[in-house]
Amino acid sequence: EDQVTQSPEALRLQEGESSSLNCSYTVSGLRGLFWYRQDPGKGPEFLFTLYSAGEEKEKERLKATLTKKESFLHITAPKPEDSATYLCAVQHGQNFVFGPGTRLSVLP
Amino acid sequence: DAGVTQSPTHLIKTRGQQVTLRCSPKSGHDTVSWYQQALGQGPQFIFQYYEEEERQRGNFPDRFSGHQFPNYSSELNVNALLLGDSALYLCASSYGTENEKLFFGSGTQLSVL
Repeated sequence: EDQVTQSPEALRLQEGESSSLNCSYTVSGLRGLFWYRQDPGKGPEFLFTLYSAGEEKEKERLKATLTKKESFLHITAPKPEDSATYLCAVQHGQNFVFGPGTRLSVLP
Repeated sequence: DAGVTQSPTHLIKTRGQQVTLRCSPKSGHDTVSWYQQALGQGPQFIFQYYEEEERQRGNFPDRFSGHQFPNYSSELNVNALLLGDSALYLCASSYGTENEKLFFGSGTQLSVL
């Protein structure tokens, strides 16, 4: 059975304090590893897709990396507007299995 | 370009009642998926509709049913509501069943009392 776990559950950073979020997965035949951002009261918003170990994607202060068992979302010099819940998911057939998310708070 | 729209935004029901949630996909999208997100959890897949048929279903009981209309909009119906059905219900659209990039609506917050 496909499983996705994320750590930490919650993370508080000072503005400018870089850190990383972890997503660990077990899946039979990875078709894609996805990162989404979710703001309170909103639906998830697509950030990245990674397909194979060693792949990296970047967008502004965010960089996602992928190994055979986990993915990291690195946040460099975060700003308060980066505060959100970050979800990762793996593709399973025609649907997605999501992790529980990491709640990130960036304090000014 | 309108994104995915869902209605209503909030809903309060009592146990045993039935509820219908609605979703209009993003322009150009023909596939709609429904997810349930409990507080503090990630979204859980309910089912996917394409060409007016249910294509795949997650681990949800038959009390959860759906429909897709010729204009690609969709409804999610839940019968015999339980307290545990309280959650944020998210609709996601894509083009084709193999399209990996999902666009989500803002969801319907269902509270069952």
